[in-house]
Amino acid sequence: DGGITQSPKYLFRKEGQNVTLSCEQNLNHDAMYWYRQDPGQGLRLIYYSQIVNDFQKGDIAEGYSVSREKKESFPLTVTSAQKNPTAFYLCASSITFSNQPQHFGDGTRLSIL
Amino acid sequence: GESVGLHLPTLSVQEGDNSIINCAYSNSASDYFIWYKQESGKGPQFIIDIRSNMDKRQGQRVTVLLNKTVKHLSLQIAATQPGDSAVYFCAENIPTDKLIFGTGTRLQVFP
Repeated sequence: DGGITQSPKYLFRKEGQNVTLSCEQNLNHDAMYWYRQDPGQGLRLIYYSQIVNDFQKGDIAEGYSVSREKKESFPLTVTSAQKNPTAFYLCASSITFSNQPQHFGDGTRLSIL
Repeated sequence: GESVGLHLPTLSVQEGDNSIINCAYSNSASDYFIWYKQESGKGPQFIIDIRSNMDKRQGQRVTVLLNKTVKHLSLQIAATQPGDSAVYFCAENIPTDKLIFGTGTRLQVFP
């Protein structure tokens, strides 16, 4: 059964700590995305990758980093430079970058200890 | 549960009635549109999409209407069921660019 798997579902971060959110897809999609969702707001794009070994900053990339070493994996690191990391983080993928539906995982909720 | 739906406009309908959720999009160059459904604590789920060369597209119990003149998109859900209760949001795509997501509308279905 194809899909996108995000882990963990809940994550807690201490001050000054980096944390990494996992995203894996078995849909054979070229493009992958990370979004941040805050209450009452639309999804905001953090980073995206059009193809393996390539990625670009989205609208709110500061304090985050990503890698795309494998087609199926697109991990997101929330660094200590991100001063307001509490949010719901969503990973998505699509066959190609533009004009295609994006399919989402079930998210990771990150909170500050 | 997930608090993503706080402060969103809300549409309340009775079970069995039809629902219409509206979305105003921002860019006249957008040529691809998607409706998503998001339940509490879950990721958005694709419902239906439409390209700008169409005015209407139908799926199972859902219809999307596109009015390019006024940059308006609507999602119609026939015979609304309790399981349809969720936050619904639209997304628009400018050619070769990223998706832009709306903030969403909460649909509440009453028995």
